[in-house]
Amino acid sequence: KAGVTQTPRYLIKTRGQQVTLSCSPISGHRSVSWYQQTPGQGLQFLFEYFSETQRNKGNFPGRFSGRQFSNSRSEMNVSTLELGDSALYLCASSLGFRTDTQYFGPGTRLTVL
Amino acid sequence: AQTVTQSQPEMSVQEAETVTLSCTYDTSESDYYLFWYKQPPSRQMILVIRQEAYKQQNATENRFSVNFQKAAKSFSLKISDSQLGDAAMYFCASNFGNEKLTFGTGTRLTIIP
Repeated sequence: KAGVTQTPRYLIKTRGQQVTLSCSPISGHRSVSWYQQTPGQGLQFLFEYFSETQRNKGNFPGRFSGRQFSNSRSEMNVSTLELGDSALYLCASSLGFRTDTQYFGPGTRLTVL
Repeated sequence: AQTVTQSQPEMSVQEAETVTLSCTYDTSESDYYLFWYKQPPSRQMILVIRQEAYKQQNATENRFSVNFQKAAKSFSLKISDSQLGDAAMYFCASNFGNEKLTFGTGTRLTIIP
């Protein structure tokens, strides 16, 4: 079974631009979660989607948004990029129950100049 | 607040020896899951082991085992017969009864040949 895939793997943007990251979960998984990893703040939860609905949300500004499609693929969007948005963005998928293990993708490295 | 604490930023161990990574957490929940993830230089987050809080028996996966002390809210990871491929950042995490993961700050493990 194929693992979680994320595209693109690397991105370079400038301040003020917007960016869209994509995540394809493991086949059969209905939940997709997004995490931001930075040296200063560590790993922080952004949001979780289950069956096309945002079920959980972390403490991030409204510039960070996401959505999930009927095939469970998810996209994350960051508008009006700031230097502090430079990070590794990790996507994880699971069956969607709180008893499940989350399996992570390889991440998208975003650099904001 | 629900928190996960890893007090050892760095650890090192001789190849073939045993090392224990520490993790403590704080929660008022009684039903939750605990995880150890490994993040090698490739940055892919890989599940090492998971423990269900309502199970007293410590989880084991080949050379990896945990010492779970629920009353003390402690969840340490023991790696036996350390191998060069075990070198990575190790993150302790919990779902604290919901669908999102809260991570510790990580322990960087170095294997000395």
